[in-house]
Amino acid sequence: DTGVSQDPRHKITKRGQNVTFRCDPISEHNRLYWYRQTLGQGPEFLTYFQNEAQLEKSRLLSDRFSAERPKGSFSTLEIQRTEQGDSAMYLCASSLALRWTGNTIYFGEGSWLTVV
Amino acid sequence: AQTVTQSQPEMSVQEAETVTLSCTYDTSENNYYLFWYKQPPSRQMILVIRQEAYKQQNATENRFSVNFQKAAKSFSLKISDSQLGDTAMYFCAFMKHAADTGTASKLTFGTGTRLQVTL
Repeated sequence: DTGVSQDPRHKITKRGQNVTFRCDPISEHNRLYWYRQTLGQGPEFLTYFQNEAQLEKSRLLSDRFSAERPKGSFSTLEIQRTEQGDSAMYLCASSLALRWTGNTIYFGEGSWLTVV
Repeated sequence: AQTVTQSQPEMSVQEAETVTLSCTYDTSENNYYLFWYKQPPSRQMILVIRQEAYKQQNATENRFSVNFQKAAKSFSLKISDSQLGDTAMYFCAFMKHAADTGTASKLTFGTGTRLQVTL
C-alpha cells in the first residue's frame, strides 16, 4: 500500500511565475487535504476535498491559489504570480472519512517551494 | 474556531528516560478527536497516537501514551524509554466532528515542540 505521494518534491521559481503541485492520495481515500508549513511552524490548513467536491477553503487561500481534484483521485494546487511570501512546504494529506467514525489523516512528504 | 497551544518550543531528554509534552486546546465542541503527530528531520508527518474525546480511557501505543483531561482541555503526550529515533518535532492537533456531515473534518495544529533525545 503506497502512501501519499507529492510531486515535485522541490521547486525553485522566480517571483511572478506560476507553479503547480500534484498530490496522489492513498488509494480509496475519499478526503484530500492541502496544508502549508513554514519553518518552525505547524501546518496551516488551506483546503480540502471530499471526492471531487471542494468542501472548505481557508482565508489563507488567496485568489492566486487554486486547487482541483477533477476525478476524485489526484489533486493539483496551483499558485499564480508567485510571491516570496509563498515560500513554504506544501503538504498534501488524505484520509478515509466515514460517518460517525474518526478520520485519521495521512501526510505526504511535502513539496518545498522557494520563490526567488 | 479552535486553537491548539503547545507551550514548550523545545525539550531535551536522555535516552531511556521519560518525557512529557504538553498541549492545551480551546473549543466549544463536545465531539472531537485529538492527535499527536511526529515530524522527523526528513519532514514527513507521522501519526503517533489518537484520542477520541468521548472515550475516558487514555490512548496508548507502545511507548507512547496520553493524559487526556477533557474538562481542563489538556492533552499531554508521554514518551517512555526514549530512543534516539524519537528526535523530531511533535505536533498536537485537534479535529472536530462535524454534526452536519456526521464525519470529522480538518486538523488544526499547534506550533510544535522540538524534542531532542541525547545519549
